[in-house]
Amino acid sequence: AQSVTQPDIHITVSEGASLELRCNYSYGATPYLFWYVQSPGQGLQLLLKYFSGDTLVQGIKGFEAEFKRSQSSFNLRKPSVHWSDAAEYFCAVGGLTGTASKLTFGTGTRLQVTL
Amino acid sequence: DAGVTQSPTHLIKTRGQQVTLRCSPKSGHDTVSWYQQALGQGPQFIFQYYEEEERQRGNFPDRFSGHQFPNYSSELNVNALLLGDSALYLCASSLYGANYGYTFGSGTRLTVV
Repeated sequence: AQSVTQPDIHITVSEGASLELRCNYSYGATPYLFWYVQSPGQGLQLLLKYFSGDTLVQGIKGFEAEFKRSQSSFNLRKPSVHWSDAAEYFCAVGGLTGTASKLTFGTGTRLQVTL
Repeated sequence: DAGVTQSPTHLIKTRGQQVTLRCSPKSGHDTVSWYQQALGQGPQFIFQYYEEEERQRGNFPDRFSGHQFPNYSSELNVNALLLGDSALYLCASSLYGANYGYTFGSGTRLTVV
């Protein structure tokens, strides 16, 4: 069964500092990997996704993530955090089915940004 | 172009009651998935509908059922509500075969008292 672990429940960074959110996945084959962001009372917005190819993926809002198969990781990074980045971040994995299929989410990391 | 619309945004129900949540998919999408997000947790997959049939189902009891209409909109029904059913229910629409091109709605916050 597929699963996702986000080891950090809550992270606080200063505005302008760099950010890395950790994600480890478990899946028997090549996974589809995603990062979503959720602001309070809102739905999920896709930041970026990895299907295949280049292991460094660029997303929206200046975010990037690197797929490392050997470590089963897909960590999210941003070189300089803005106060508006404060939100809940979810890593998710999907199976390689070729059709719209279910996502398995981690428990999320809440990001707080101090000014 | 409207995204995914869910209604109602909030509701409060009593234990044992039944509830129906509604979702209108993004224009051009034909597949609807439902997720339950308990407080402090990540979303959990309930089921997915395509061509008015349930195509996949997560680990949820039969109290959770759904329906998809010919216009692709969908309903989620929960019977015999439990306190533990209190959660944010998210609807996600996509185009069948378009690998995870989901658009999520803002959700319905259900509180069971």
